[in-house]
Amino acid sequence: DAGVIQSPRHEVTEMGQEVTLRCKPISGHDYLFWYRQTMMRGLELLIYFNNNVPIDDSGMPEDRFSAKMPNASFSTLKIQPSEPRDSAVYFCASSFVGGNEQYFGPGTRLTVT
Amino acid sequence: KNEVEQSPQNLTAQEGEFITINCSYSVGISALHWLQQHPGGGIVSLFMLSSGKKKHGRLIATINIQEKHSSLHITASHPRDSAVYICAVIGGSNYKLTFGKGTLLTVNP
Repeated sequence: DAGVIQSPRHEVTEMGQEVTLRCKPISGHDYLFWYRQTMMRGLELLIYFNNNVPIDDSGMPEDRFSAKMPNASFSTLKIQPSEPRDSAVYFCASSFVGGNEQYFGPGTRLTVT
Repeated sequence: KNEVEQSPQNLTAQEGEFITINCSYSVGISALHWLQQHPGGGIVSLFMLSSGKKKHGRLIATINIQEKHSSLHITASHPRDSAVYICAVIGGSNYKLTFGKGTLLTVNP
């Protein structure tokens, strides 16, 4: 398996623009997690899905953030409108069982100017 | 909310030294993860444990549930072990990970 795939790897956008980050989990994994990493706050869970259903979105910062998982092989994290404070590395991870080992994607480095 | 504390924040060692990184948490958990993040940014899961001890190569992870404490040990450290090591915990039936701030390890040749 190719592992967890994220795109784009880097995104630079202007404040106010819509940003869409994409993730393809490992085939057969039932859990998908979206994380954000910043220097100030470290790694934080934004939302996670089980069998394509959002289970916990308490980490989503505000209404500007939304995440979807239309099928078992694809998820998106959307920010609209983007703000400079959204600049961070966004990781997607998947696991076969919820509490078990998670496999991380390479991350998307987002810069909002 | 579980508070996860790691120590030390930064650690510099000479090649071959025995390394210990500590993690403590405030509320009972169902499992604890140790992650490694290399300078390039990629994150790899090293261990998931809920009791006792696990070993993989030169890495050993232990957990004491009563004391709410875990340690990650690296024997015969090598410059390629240089990375940020992150502790994360899961509590209850929710699979939400709460992360420590990480320990930056630098191993000099």
